Amino acid sequence: DADVTQTPRNRITKTGKRIMLECSQTKGHDRMYWYRQDPGLGLRLIYYSFDVKDINKGEISDGYSVSRQAQAKFSLSLESAIPNQTALYFCATSDSIGLAGQYFGPGTRLTVT
Amino acid sequence: QKEVEQDPGPLSVPEGAIVSLNCTYSNSAFQYFMWYRQYSRKGPELLMYTYSSGNKEDGRFTAQVDKSSKYISLFIRDSQPSDSATYLCASYNAGNMLTFGGGTRLMVKP
Repeated sequence: DADVTQTPRNRITKTGKRIMLECSQTKGHDRMYWYRQDPGLGLRLIYYSFDVKDINKGEISDGYSVSRQAQAKFSLSLESAIPNQTALYFCATSDSIGLAGQYFGPGTRLTVT
Repeated sequence: QKEVEQDPGPLSVPEGAIVSLNCTYSNSAFQYFMWYRQYSRKGPELLMYTYSSGNKEDGRFTAQVDKSSKYISLFIRDSQPSDSATYLCASYNAGNMLTFGGGTRLMVKP
């Protein structure tokens, strides 16, 4: 089984709709991250959490919110989706030291029409 | 200006060629440097990381960092079609946050 899973894998939604992307991990890591990936722009950090009670904004948090339900679960919400939020979204985890890098989920392809 | 810059490619090489992938960065506080490989429709996976300046070798892959010029390189020897992917460099500062380059798409043709 995959260490980091994301649901859904693909989603098409309409402008103005609320949508939630979910992430679960079995790595036992404390740290979890949400990124979006756009062509040519690489991975940009949306939110991150270093433990269950810790939530921090990343580089591009406007229009997004997150919830850390448990050590293993971190969800990303788009309260009112807009077309420029169309992107590939990745969840990642790391241990507290981070030198082993971040482990990424398979991604969610979101299209907002 | 992005803190980590990468040529997006695509870079197309014949099988067996030596591949050189490069990044530049602007933040002197970066201490750890990583290379991630991302296959199509997959999440990135860590390939190698180095600390400060110097070289690190792992099989056909060599990572090189020159902090004086703020230059990061990944060399792939005897490239294979299975190396075809997007390669992302990333730098890591003491606050444990990664900053990614935009990625270089590599195609190795049989």
